[in-house]
Amino acid sequence: GAVVSQHPSWVICKSGTSVKIECRSLDFQATTMFWYRQFPKQSLMLMATSNEGSKATYEQGVEKDKFLINHASLTLSTLTVTSAHPEDSSFYICSARGQGSSGANVLTFGAGSRLTVL
Amino acid sequence: AQSVTQLGSHVSVSEGALVLLRCNYSSSVPPYLFWYVQYPNQGLQLLLKYTSAATLVKGINGFEAEFKKSETSFHLTKPSAHMSDAAEYFCAVSASLSGGYNKLIFGAGTRLAVHP
Repeated sequence: GAVVSQHPSWVICKSGTSVKIECRSLDFQATTMFWYRQFPKQSLMLMATSNEGSKATYEQGVEKDKFLINHASLTLSTLTVTSAHPEDSSFYICSARGQGSSGANVLTFGAGSRLTVL
Repeated sequence: AQSVTQLGSHVSVSEGALVLLRCNYSSSVPPYLFWYVQYPNQGLQLLLKYTSAATLVKGINGFEAEFKKSETSFHLTKPSAHMSDAAEYFCAVSASLSGGYNKLIFGAGTRLAVHP
């Protein structure tokens, strides 16, 4: 139980285009989703926290107009990288927090999405 | 504020040897602590977590970690390394939160190499 699906796992786009990454909780309701970014050979940096039905809270230094986060339902959050540039190339990972089928609190990570901007 | 320091960005051990990956944390509130493993081009897999129950936590693949409040440490160990343990390991801290987990703050990671 407590599975998070992230899609796409790989995406290549041209500079200037926008890319949407989806994060879905498959078997539980995710009241909160967290979005992380990971540069090669580095750690995960929290970008933003989103609660279902409200605006995301961005970490310091993260451009909210650049990285649009939507959490419109209890099972889906999306991250849109707008007007992507090569420096946005990175590994983006989501995690979802909620209650599993047993009622226990869960926190599960998606498998990540690798974005390459040409 | 919370932070995690992982001592040693690279650790190399022989197959069958003890694995010790060090993690120290800083937290102004009672912490939850986690160890994750990441294989190349993959997401994170939870090895184990401490959530204020037993201080010695056993995880998957033979790993365990001990929460030591006096030392603010949560070191990861495995008695006998296997080749398949070669990966990147991340320690993470979260503020304990009633009703669920809070955001995780990750350490810089430790790359474990296992040689024959």
